[in-house]
Amino acid sequence: EPEVTQTPSHQVTQMGQEVILRCVPISNHLYFYWYRQILGQKVEFLVSFYNNEISEKSEIFDDQFSVERPDGSNFTLKIRSTKLEDSAMYFCASRGEENQPQHFGDGTRLSIL
Amino acid sequence: GESVGLHLPTLSVQEGDNSIINCAYSNSASDYFIWYKQESGKGPQFIIDIRSNMDKRQGQRVTVLLNKTVKHLSLQIAATQPGDSAVYFCAEGGSNYKLTFGKGTLLTVNP
Repeated sequence: EPEVTQTPSHQVTQMGQEVILRCVPISNHLYFYWYRQILGQKVEFLVSFYNNEISEKSEIFDDQFSVERPDGSNFTLKIRSTKLEDSAMYFCASRGEENQPQHFGDGTRLSIL
Repeated sequence: GESVGLHLPTLSVQEGDNSIINCAYSNSASDYFIWYKQESGKGPQFIIDIRSNMDKRQGQRVTVLLNKTVKHLSLQIAATQPGDSAVYFCAEGGSNYKLTFGKGTLLTVNP
């Protein structure tokens, strides 16, 4: 069964450094999402992306965050200058047609030191 | 069942029993609801979804019930197995199918 893949599984970064989290959505999917989950808390929406542009973003997704689909397969989340509070699991999700559910990857654990 | 409290709700059942996990949602305008299962170290795994024009939907060993009057969603798992042990999240879908997740319920299945 096709799946969403995320790399790396764990990223350790110094505060203030830039980090890029990578995702390969399911190949025929059209809608892409990033979510995060701080340890012990709910999964929170960050951003949705369709037709090469952001369709919606949350308050968390401030100017330090950006997303990109650089080619036909990858979908990336960049945090420009990381803060301690950015430490979390980051999940990528994708879905196909209008009435299909989102499928999630296994996440990247981001640890900011 | 689902809670907005600080602690993760837990449900402990015996193998073979039926499980019912409950969820209260907040936005009466939501028209899409979905259940995910999350095992340790993995991402949310889709179980079943339902739209607001339905009140019941069945899958393999799972049933979702939607009560829009009281904004309540439940997931029923028949003949629960040890492999069903996980955290279960309900989520409601908004614009662009952005999902708003609940805090989750930890299901433990005792052999």
